[in-house]
Amino acid sequence: AQSVTQLDSHVSVSEGTPVLLRCNYSSSYSPSLFWYVQHPNKGLQLLLKYTSAATLVKGINGFEAEFKKSETSFHLTKPSAHMSDAAEYFCVVRSMDSSYKLIFGSGTRLLVRP
Amino acid sequence: DSGVTQTPKHLITATGQRVTLRCSPRSGDLSVYWYQQSLDQGLQFLIQYYNGEERAKGNILERFSAQQFPDLHSELNLSSLELGDSALYFCASSVEGTGAYNEQFFGPGTRLTVL
Repeated sequence: AQSVTQLDSHVSVSEGTPVLLRCNYSSSYSPSLFWYVQHPNKGLQLLLKYTSAATLVKGINGFEAEFKKSETSFHLTKPSAHMSDAAEYFCVVRSMDSSYKLIFGSGTRLLVRP
Repeated sequence: DSGVTQTPKHLITATGQRVTLRCSPRSGDLSVYWYQQSLDQGLQFLIQYYNGEERAKGNILERFSAQQFPDLHSELNLSSLELGDSALYFCASSVEGTGAYNEQFFGPGTRLTVL
């Protein structure tokens, strides 16, 4: 069975400093991995997805993630945080059964200090 | 805007009641997923429909049911509501139910409050 573990429930950074949100995955197959963002009182927006074409995946708003098979990790990074990045971030793995449902991590709330 | 619409945005009701949540997928998407987001359980998959037929079930209670209509919109019916059913319910759609990398597009959600 597939699963993801987000290692931090809260991350706090200062505006302009780097962001690192950590995610480890568990999968018997080559996983399909995603990062979604949820702003307060908003829906879920896809930031980026791992399609196995490249281990470094670039997403929207300057975010990127690196797939590391040896470490079973898919950490999300951004070089410089902006106030508008404050939100909840979900690491997600797609189920490989017939439903292809999404399996969500518990989420990391990113706080950005001015 | 993802192209997925959900109505209503907010729903407040009493225990024991029944409600219906509606979802319209993106144009051309055949697959609809329902997810529940609650404080204690996080985001969980409930059920999936593909082109009108149920394809997969997750942690969906027997008091809950869903269907997908010929025009591909979907409804999630919640009955005998309990306080613990209060949550944000998301609908997502994708082009088809297969394909490991098919993106799911999420609607804005319906916030259900059971008093």
